[in-house]
Amino acid sequence: EDQVTQSPEALRLQEGESSSLNCSYTVSGLRGLFWYRQDPGKGPEFLFTLYSAGEEKEKERLKATLTKKESFLHITAPKPEDSATYLCAAGAAGNKLTFGGGTRVLVKP
Amino acid sequence: GEEVAQTPKHLVRGEGQKAKLYCAPIKGHSYVFWYQQVLKNEFKFLISFQNENVFDETGMPKERFSAKCLPNSPCSLEIQATKLEDSAVYFCASSRPGTGGWSPLHFGNGTRLTVT
Repeated sequence: EDQVTQSPEALRLQEGESSSLNCSYTVSGLRGLFWYRQDPGKGPEFLFTLYSAGEEKEKERLKATLTKKESFLHITAPKPEDSATYLCAAGAAGNKLTFGGGTRVLVKP
Repeated sequence: GEEVAQTPKHLVRGEGQKAKLYCAPIKGHSYVFWYQQVLKNEFKFLISFQNENVFDETGMPKERFSAKCLPNSPCSLEIQATKLEDSAVYFCASSRPGTGGWSPLHFGNGTRLTVT
């Protein structure tokens, strides 16, 4: 059975304190690894797609990387507006995403 | 439109009543997905469509849940005889046809269903 696990469940950071979020996956026939940001009361907002091991994508203070078993979302010098839940999801054959449980990030000024 | 539009935002139903949720995908997107989000961010896949055809319905509780995507109409998810455990946020997402890889899913802001 396909499985995606995110850690930690929650992360409290001071503004400017860089950190990394982990997403480990066991998925048959991975077609893509997706990162989303979700704010309270909103739907997930697409951030990145990673397709193959070694790939990296960057957007502002966020950088996502992918290995054969894990993906990392690095947050560099975070700001309070980076506070959100970050979701990792694996896409496999059948056009279906398997989501992890998310990491709630709180950045304090 | 440029966003996935879900209506209503909130829906309250008494146990045993019917609930119907609507989703207008982004124009040009041919795939539509329904997910159920319950406690602790758990997303459960329900069903997907390619245009008006069911693509994958392996997540649908067959007895009470049904969904449609008809031409020129919003897609819909209907729950007959709601139960307390159906209380959740239901998200709709759409995506473009893939070109060799996966196209990302774009999500609406969800419909919060509360069954009392």
